[in-house]
Amino acid sequence: RKEVEQDPGPFNVPEGATVAFNCTYSNSASQSFFWYRQDCRKEPKLLMSVYSSGNEDGRFTAQLNRASQYISLLIRDSKLSDSATYLCVVPNSGNTPLVFGKGTRLSVIA
Amino acid sequence: NAGVTQTPKFRVLKTGQSMTLLCAQDMNHEYMYWYRQDPGMGLRLIHYSVGEGTTAKGEVPDGYNVSRLKKQNFLLGLESAAPSQTSVYFCASSYPAGGASRSYWGEQFFGPGTRLTVL
Repeated sequence: RKEVEQDPGPFNVPEGATVAFNCTYSNSASQSFFWYRQDCRKEPKLLMSVYSSGNEDGRFTAQLNRASQYISLLIRDSKLSDSATYLCVVPNSGNTPLVFGKGTRLSVIA
Repeated sequence: NAGVTQTPKFRVLKTGQSMTLLCAQDMNHEYMYWYRQDPGMGLRLIHYSVGEGTTAKGEVPDGYNVSRLKKQNFLLGLESAAPSQTSVYFCASSYPAGGASRSYWGEQFFGPGTRLTVL
């Protein structure tokens, strides 16, 4: 299994829809996980951190399933402004930095 | 606070030319990173540093050198640019996480990127 894998999408959803992305990882010893958001031609920005079983921030919920080695991001009541690429970030094996997934592209349509 | 800044924002080089990209952070972060991002490839780590005076290779270090002479600065050098190095380069910084044990890597803060074209 690759260190981190994401469905590249694109996910095209109408406004108000609920959408979920999954990200699988291979390092079973991982402790810190992140979701970043990247807008076109911009830098990635931290959306959520996941250090235990999950985290919730308004319309966004991140969940961690250690047994199956995946993290998920749930977006409720999608807005046009949620259109972006969402990057999953997991620890690498050994004492080396985090690994970024290739991203899942979301387009929210009016 | 400015956060993480990168200089320059854009650059066009000819094959064989050299240049240095500068990254600066004012958050007193110990760790700094250089990534490149290409279409369909995601972010790939070039080099990173866990402290002043230390550097380490990432996933794609060939053709690049780095230096971390000051805690707040991390320089990326291209000695002889090649068209394959056309990319968007992002710098990032972070604290170590996990309390006193520093057992895991904390969230990274990114600069705005440098768009480099090598002709």
